[in-house]
Amino acid sequence: EAQVTQNPRYLITVTGKKLTVTCSQNMNHEYMSWYRQDPGLGLRQIYYSMNVEVTDKGDVPEGYKVSRKEKRNFPLILESPSPNQTSLYFCASSSPLRSSYNSPLHFGNGTRLTVT
Amino acid sequence: SQQGEEDPQALSIQEGENATMNCSYKTSINNLQWYRQNSGRGLVHLILIRSNEREKHSGRLRVTLDTSKKSSSLLITASRAADTASYFCATALSGGYNKLIFGAGTRLAVHP
Repeated sequence: EAQVTQNPRYLITVTGKKLTVTCSQNMNHEYMSWYRQDPGLGLRQIYYSMNVEVTDKGDVPEGYKVSRKEKRNFPLILESPSPNQTSLYFCASSSPLRSSYNSPLHFGNGTRLTVT
Repeated sequence: SQQGEEDPQALSIQEGENATMNCSYKTSINNLQWYRQNSGRGLVHLILIRSNEREKHSGRLRVTLDTSKKSSSLLITASRAADTASYFCATALSGGYNKLIFGAGTRLAVHP
């Protein structure tokens, strides 16, 4: 089954404790992206990747890191989480026809992160 | 305000009625997409309409795009309780950007 898999689904952590949220897709998609969703703000893009070893900042990259060493994986790293990073996080992927914005995004089921 | 803004923020209707949601945006776009999100789950792509298209259909969904007014609407006909979800429009900017910009969404409740 074609899917984007995020883990974990729920995560509670404390301020400053490094964490990684994994994302994997089995559709051979070139484009992958991370979003955070907060009430009243919709989805905001954190980072995206056009292909292996190619990553770029989205609208709210501060406090996050990503890597794209393999095509299928795009982990999101919080080196020193803070309470304002408490949010619902989504990974998404797509297969660009000419560029990423011509194709629909496939989303994972989300990771609900709480930082205390 | 954001690039894509949905209106209304919330909509409550009875089964069988039609639901109309609107999306307005500010800058030129390459395409506009609509997504559905069931409570707390991942978004699911519904329909994509390109900037040179005016109307598109998919099953009970009808999307219109008016680039002169920078607006789009999503119509769900003969709604069902299973249509209860949040609906988001997302704009893909023209000019070489590689991302979608999402609005805050419309929460639709369809009552049996």
